Amino acid sequence: KAGVTQTPRYLIKTRGQQVTLSCSPISGHRSVSWYQQTPGQGLQFLFEYFSETQRNKGNFPGRFSGRQFSNSRSEMNVSTLELGDSALYLCASSLRDRGGTQYFGPGTRLTVL
Amino acid sequence: DQQVKQNSPSLSVQEGRISILNCDYTNSMFDYFLWYKKYPAEGPTFLISISSIKDKNEDGRFTVFLNKSAKHLSLHIVPSQPGDSAVYFCAVQDSNYQLIWGAGTKLIIKP
Repeated sequence: KAGVTQTPRYLIKTRGQQVTLSCSPISGHRSVSWYQQTPGQGLQFLFEYFSETQRNKGNFPGRFSGRQFSNSRSEMNVSTLELGDSALYLCASSLRDRGGTQYFGPGTRLTVL
Repeated sequence: DQQVKQNSPSLSVQEGRISILNCDYTNSMFDYFLWYKKYPAEGPTFLISISSIKDKNEDGRFTVFLNKSAKHLSLHIVPSQPGDSAVYFCAVQDSNYQLIWGAGTKLIIKP
């Protein structure tokens, strides 16, 4: 079974631009969660989508948004980029059941100049 | 207020010895606990989990212990190997199926 894939792997943008990141979950997984990891920081939860609906949301500004398609693929968008948005963005898929393990993609490294 | 705490930012262990990583949580209603391993610039990899009905789960060199009364879990790695050098995160699943993460512990295995 193929793992979680994320595209692109690396991205360089300038302040004020917007960016869209993509995540394809493991086949059969309908839950996709997004996380931000900055240097020296743990995993900061952004949001979770399940069956095309946002189910959980972390404490991030409205510049961060997402969506999920009928095939469970998910996209994350960040508008009006700031220098502090430079981070590794990770997505994880799961079955969304009790004890359901999340499986992570390799991440997208975003650098904002 | 942190619901999941890993109080040791880093830990250094001699190769071949036991590594013990600790994690504390605040909510006694949590019922699933997981450990992940992460190398730099990669996504975390699932290691091992335990449900609240157990107090121990073992998988090869990795054992997770759960002390519900103390709201504490630990990950034991025996014997420690150089490839175990990574950041280890504990996570708990809440009632909304969301994982709540600790800040991580960087494990360094010395030759």
